[in-house]
Amino acid sequence: GAGVSQSPRYKVAKRGQDVALRCDPISGHVSLFWYQQALGQGPEFLTYFQNEAQLDKSGLPSDRFFAERPEGSVSTLKIQRTQQEDSAVYLCASSLVGLGSNSPLHFGNGTRLTVT
Amino acid sequence: DQQVKQNSPSLSVQEGRISILNCDYTNSMFDYFLWYKKYPAEGPTFLISISSIKDKNEDGRFTVFLNKSAKHLSLHIVPSQPGDSAVYFCAARFAGGTSYGKLTFGQGTILTVHP
Repeated sequence: GAGVSQSPRYKVAKRGQDVALRCDPISGHVSLFWYQQALGQGPEFLTYFQNEAQLDKSGLPSDRFFAERPEGSVSTLKIQRTQQEDSAVYLCASSLVGLGSNSPLHFGNGTRLTVT
Repeated sequence: DQQVKQNSPSLSVQEGRISILNCDYTNSMFDYFLWYKKYPAEGPTFLISISSIKDKNEDGRFTVFLNKSAKHLSLHIVPSQPGDSAVYFCAARFAGGTSYGKLTFGQGTILTVHP
């Protein structure tokens, strides 16, 4: 079946613009995660949803970052008033079941955001 | 504060030989460890995992070893193949809280397997 799909693949934004990044998880996957990967680094956790509930947003770097998953499926990561330090690859991942499981995360190919 | 560290940015190995990738962690609350492989312009793909109650897990050419007392794990690939050339990330899962399942990643090691 289809994997995790992210759009757009590439996004260039001028500093101060708002952006919205979309994630379509694998159908039926309960858990959805957003990660940020800076150049030469490993992915860093941003936020976690179980179905439509955002259970952990401790990794969001500022209040300019907002994520939602209103129907427990597609998720959107929104960044307001983008800054150059927001330039990174944003990865979405989903897993089949929720808390306490060893179900591995399935990652999308990411959205590369460049803020100029 | 880097809780998961991969101290070797790169590793070069001859085809057919063993590749050993290393990872150290500091947080004793991690209960599950995973290795992910990443090709350019793609997302990480799951490779192999190990629970903190075990010290070894094997899957084909891939074996992960966990030394809890040293807070160290390693991934062995035998025999290495050119198609194994990729970035390898070590990741650890933090037990408890509301994000049981969120991962902390190392910085990655670039593995190059020469024909």
